[in-house]
Amino acid sequence: DQQVKQNSPSLSVQEGRISILNCDYTNSMFDYFLWYKKYPAEGPTFLISISSIKDKNEDGRFTVFLNKSAKHLSLHIVPSQPGDSAVYFCAALNFGNEKLTFGTGTRLTIIP
Amino acid sequence: DAGVTQSPTHLIKTRGQQVTLRCSPKSGHDTVSWYQQALGQGPQFIFQYYEEEERQRGNFPDRFSGHQFPNYSSELNVNALLLGDSALYLCASSLFGQGGGSEQFFGPGTRLTVL
Repeated sequence: DQQVKQNSPSLSVQEGRISILNCDYTNSMFDYFLWYKKYPAEGPTFLISISSIKDKNEDGRFTVFLNKSAKHLSLHIVPSQPGDSAVYFCAALNFGNEKLTFGTGTRLTIIP
Repeated sequence: DAGVTQSPTHLIKTRGQQVTLRCSPKSGHDTVSWYQQALGQGPQFIFQYYEEEERQRGNFPDRFSGHQFPNYSSELNVNALLLGDSALYLCASSLFGQGGGSEQFFGPGTRLTVL
């Protein structure tokens, strides 16, 4: 049972444009959502998070939007840079319970 | 600060064998979680150790076991290896009670191949 889904395995975006990565979840008990970035031969690195009491969180070029009624979140990267090329994982948890549930990832490629 | 370290980097085993993977947490952290990332999948939670005890467990069989030492480092043991155990095994460390995702730091992983 895939409780966190990323339906786009890959995405290519021109440098300078906006990258939008999507994630859906099914478990309504999740109340905290995170995005991780992973380069080859490295572990996932935390990027940005959002609590279920918010609908938007922004950190520099990165913004996460949460639509609780649709059980959907998205990560916006603007402007996209070549160094953003990586695999992005969406993850969710019940805050206070530290078990992360990950999606399958989206490979983002930024085209110079 | 060396961050989270894992050893070995790569490992090749045959079916039926046993394997031990090791993890040293980030300095100041006391909690270690283990994840399995199969090819094309996201990481899946195996278990978490704090105060040398297993605190939480994911949906993995008893062939997967672990240990945490007094210095907070941890081992993951897998017995009776199956081909399906081939994966990247990730260790994440945190400070107990503050591992709400953003406070979990991941190591680079151990790539296990079972032939």
